[in-house]
Amino acid sequence: EVQLVESGGALVKPGGSLRLSCVASGFTFNNAWLSWVRQAPGKGLEWVGRIKSRSDGGTTNYATPVRGRFTISRDDSKNTVFLQMDSLKTEDAGMYFCTTGTNLLWIDFWGRGTLVTVSS
Amino acid sequence: SFDLTQPPSLSVSPGQTATITCSGDNLGNRFASWYQQRPGQSPVQVIYQDSERPSGIPERFSGSNSGTTATLTISGTQAVDEAVYYCQAWDSSTEVVFGGGTKLTVL
Repeated sequence: EVQLVESGGALVKPGGSLRLSCVASGFTFNNAWLSWVRQAPGKGLEWVGRIKSRSDGGTTNYATPVRGRFTISRDDSKNTVFLQMDSLKTEDAGMYFCTTGTNLLWIDFWGRGTLVTVSS
Repeated sequence: SFDLTQPPSLSVSPGQTATITCSGDNLGNRFASWYQQRPGQSPVQVIYQDSERPSGIPERFSGSNSGTTATLTISGTQAVDEAVYYCQAWDSSTEVVFGGGTKLTVL
């Protein structure tokens, strides 16, 4: 059974930083591409970014609103993917989901999410 | 940028057919997927690759995609189907793109 367990969400002030983690199990993590998707309170889903598997280059791509402020990385030895969030803005608040799939064209599996609050 | 448009809400009576649409430029040339999100829960994939149903998803869920519109159909809608439904497609520049979501009310 595929499991994605996020952690690290917290209350942070505007301009601050936060690092989210996602521990995965139930599939071959080394071969997986992983993405982060967020959801502001009462709003829709928004793709944040993605990291490829190391065998596919390990490269990342980000949505325009977070590019230059957020960084995705992975530790295959720990089956963990990270989302480093810097220069946080109030509009970055919301639930952050770790996701993966068998195909880059859609999302097969979602974690339960971790809540980020950005407020002074 | 590539955008997907969904109606904000839809109401159906139990047992009726719910049809949720998702529109985008040449969407029929891309694969569309659908996700169900119940209140307080994570999204769950109900349709992928336009019309494929994941294991465990009831047969009453079906999908199609042609032209500029993808459609999620729920036949014999049940109270448990009340949720927000999101369509999604992939774009070469922005990668994963979601529609704004359709809140399905079963009453």
